[in-house]
Amino acid sequence: EVQLVESGGGLVKPGSSLKLSCVASGFTFSSYGMHWIRQAPKKGLEWIALIYYDSSNKYYADSVKGRFTISRDNSKNTLYLEMNSLRSEDTAMYYCAKSRGGYPHWYFDFWGPGTMVTVSS
Amino acid sequence: DVVLTQSPATLSVTPGERISLSCRASESVDTYLHWYQQKPNESPRLLIKYASQSISGIPSRFSGSGSGTDFTLSINGVEVEDLSIYYCQQGNSLPLTFGSGTKLEIK
Repeated sequence: EVQLVESGGGLVKPGSSLKLSCVASGFTFSSYGMHWIRQAPKKGLEWIALIYYDSSNKYYADSVKGRFTISRDNSKNTLYLEMNSLRSEDTAMYYCAKSRGGYPHWYFDFWGPGTMVTVSS
Repeated sequence: DVVLTQSPATLSVTPGERISLSCRASESVDTYLHWYQQKPNESPRLLIKYASQSISGIPSRFSGSGSGTDFTLSINGVEVEDLSIYYCQQGNSLPLTFGSGTKLEIK
């Protein structure tokens, strides 16, 4: 059974940093691309980042480019999202999701339960 | 960016009804259009891929159709458990984008 479990969320001040993790199990993690997707409270879904299975390529939404970094450690079956210069508009539930499809025709076949990030002074 | 417009924003239905939800793209996305269901306080789950392809484990009352810019998610015989927000997502070009969702309410 595919499982994705995010962690690392919390309450932080504007301008600070935070690193999220997503531990995967139930599939060969090193064979799949992975995404981060977020959802602001009572709002819709926003894709923010993708990393290839071998970390050879990474793509970002303009809203986080230059501030967020996606990475992975295939030896630990773990996906990361390092978030810097956080803003109030980054407040959201952050989901990791398993990728299907090829460039750029990706979709998300499994999602984790999410971890909440709140940016507030 | 490809903008996906979903309608209606909210739909109130009686159990047993057949309903259709719409997703329109601002430019052609071929059949790279996928549907997700998000139940209250849960993460989304994949319902339909590539506009019309079924997903293992998803009830057969869910189906999808369309190509280009106009897409439809149909539910043939709505059940109470279908209370959710339904999102479409395009995978034709980066950035990957979602529609704003259709909230399904059960009368």
